[in-house]
Amino acid sequence: DAGVTQSPTHLIKTRGQHVTLRCSPISGHKSVSWYQQVLGQGPQFIFQYYEKEERGRGNFPDRFSARQFPNYSSELNVNALLLGDSALYLCASSGRGNPYEQYFGPGTRLTVT
Amino acid sequence: AQSVTQPDIHITVSEGASLELRCNYSYGATPYLFWYVQSPGQGLQLLLKYFSGDTLVQGIKGFEAEFKRSQSSFNLRKPSVHWSDAAEYFCAVVAPTSNAGNMLTFGGGTRLMVKP
Repeated sequence: DAGVTQSPTHLIKTRGQHVTLRCSPISGHKSVSWYQQVLGQGPQFIFQYYEKEERGRGNFPDRFSARQFPNYSSELNVNALLLGDSALYLCASSGRGNPYEQYFGPGTRLTVT
Repeated sequence: AQSVTQPDIHITVSEGASLELRCNYSYGATPYLFWYVQSPGQGLQLLLKYFSGDTLVQGIKGFEAEFKRSQSSFNLRKPSVHWSDAAEYFCAVVAPTSNAGNMLTFGGGTRLMVKP
């Protein structure tokens, strides 16, 4: 089975712009979570979606939003980008056995200049 | 809210030596516990997990971890380290009764370097 996939791999944006990151979960997984990992730190939880509904939200501003599609893929949107949004954005999926056992994709490296 | 502490930011061991990475958590009950490994520029790979039962759990790549409730710890061990084990290691917890979904709370990570 293919693992969690994310696109794009890297991107560079300018302050104030908007960005959309995409994630496809492992086949059969219905839950997708998003994490932000700033350089030198552990990942921080942003959102969890299950069956297209938001099930959890971390301590992030309203500039961050997400959604999940009927095929269980997900998008993370960030508006009005700040320099501090530069990070590795990780997507994780879970399901089929234990919803707490999460498998991560390779991440999207976002650089804001 | 739960929290995770990994006291060692960097650890250097010689190839073939044993390894122990420390992890302490703070939570009112027993959380679910995980160790992940991250190679440079990569995503996270699940090494092992603890939900309940036997407190010594085996994972991939020859790693094991022991849950000690009295010490609120979940330390990762390996008897003989290989050069390919050089990476960043993250301990994480999930509070199964939380209303924050399956949110993982991560420690700050331990960077492992392996000397030849």
